[in-house]
Amino acid sequence: EVQLVETGGGLIQPGGSLRLSCAASGFTVTKNNMNWVRQAPGKGLEWVSVIYSGGTTNYADSVKGRFTISRDNSKNTVYLQMNTLGAEDTAVYYCARDNMWSYNRGWYMDFWGKGTTVIVSS
Amino acid sequence: DIQMTQSPSSLSASVGDRVTITCRASQSINSFLNWYQQKPGKAPELLMYGASFLQMGVPSRFSGSGSGTDFTLTISSLQPDDFATYYCQQSYSALLTFGGGTKVEVK
Repeated sequence: EVQLVETGGGLIQPGGSLRLSCAASGFTVTKNNMNWVRQAPGKGLEWVSVIYSGGTTNYADSVKGRFTISRDNSKNTVYLQMNTLGAEDTAVYYCARDNMWSYNRGWYMDFWGKGTTVIVSS
Repeated sequence: DIQMTQSPSSLSASVGDRVTITCRASQSINSFLNWYQQKPGKAPELLMYGASFLQMGVPSRFSGSGSGTDFTLTISSLQPDDFATYYCQQSYSALLTFGGGTKVEVK
């Protein structure tokens, strides 16, 4: 059974750093693209970052240069290192697995974790 | 970035109603369009992918159509479990984007 469990959220002061973890089970994270998606309180979904199965990465403009996605194959875990946090980063952060229906662009997020909450406040 | 615009942002409906939600992309995205359902306090769940393919386990009252820039999600007969917020999302661009969401409420 596929499961994704996010941890690492919490209350952090503006300008601080935090690392989120997404522990995967039931599949191998190197076989699928893995995403981080966030949702600010009362707002919609915002895609944050992806690490492709081949290891390359991509980021939303809003986090580029501040956030870094990575994975530890031995732990089957994906990470999101978040630096220089601001109030606008306050959100529930979800980890989501990609699956593919069509080569190259036909991606969809078929499994999601329950999320971890990040609050940036002084 | 490709902008995804959903309409309406909310709607009120009754059990048994036919409900249609629209999603428009700022440029052609072929059929690289997915739909998700989210209930309060829960993670999103995949409903449809590739604009018209039903995810395994999703009831057949859900259907999707469209290609290019205009897409629709239809619920043929609204059930109590369907009151939720629905999001479209494009995967044509490497910078993925979601629509703003459509909240389906009880009339």
